[in-house]
Amino acid sequence: QVQLQESGPGLVKPSQTLSLTCTVSGGSISSGGPYWSWIRQHPVKGLEWIGYIYYSGRTYYNPSLKSRLTISVDTSKNQLSLKLSSVTAADTAVYYCASAGRLGELSLRYWGQGTLVTVSS
Amino acid sequence: DIQMTQSPSTLSASVGDRVTITCRASQSVNSWLAWYQQKPGKAPHLLIYKASSLDSGVPSRFSGSGSGTEFTLTISSLQPDDFATYYCQQYNDYSGTFGQGTKVEIK
Repeated sequence: QVQLQESGPGLVKPSQTLSLTCTVSGGSISSGGPYWSWIRQHPVKGLEWIGYIYYSGRTYYNPSLKSRLTISVDTSKNQLSLKLSSVTAADTAVYYCASAGRLGELSLRYWGQGTLVTVSS
Repeated sequence: DIQMTQSPSTLSASVGDRVTITCRASQSVNSWLAWYQQKPGKAPHLLIYKASSLDSGVPSRFSGSGSGTEFTLTISSLQPDDFATYYCQQYNDYSGTFGQGTKVEIK
């Protein structure tokens, strides 16, 4: 079974770039997806979809974040990454990576445990 | 952008009750609709995909129905482990909007 683990700084200063990595185990990026996703959850709030990436690198972004967002995959390291630039306090959230785990599906079957990122000076 | 609206926002129910949660889309998402369960401090857990397909290992008391713009998640007989927050997600056209969530509380 695919397992995912998010990692990255827990504290980012306003205006800087938030960078997170999701390490995949128990399967490869190509077979364990093939679609992968980042989702975030603001404190005591609901879920917000950030974007999808196909294992080959094709991306689909939330229009509200698109201008600041880069999602990529590194198949050699079995990792995906998220970069969100020009962050503000509104970007404080728990960030999850997830995978579809089924061909032809974008529903998210496998999730990481999430990592809290706080934007503060 | 497709908007997803869940109702109710909060639901109080007792063990053994039949529970129904509704999710409406602002435009058709065909059957590209998933339901997730989330417990405090934990990641969401996929229950239903493609509107009505039960993910493996999910108890059969959970079921999903609908297509187009209106969908329902039904729990046929609520169990103590089911008190949680439930989210729908549309994934039509390579986007992934979530509903705002429905919290199922103990009555």
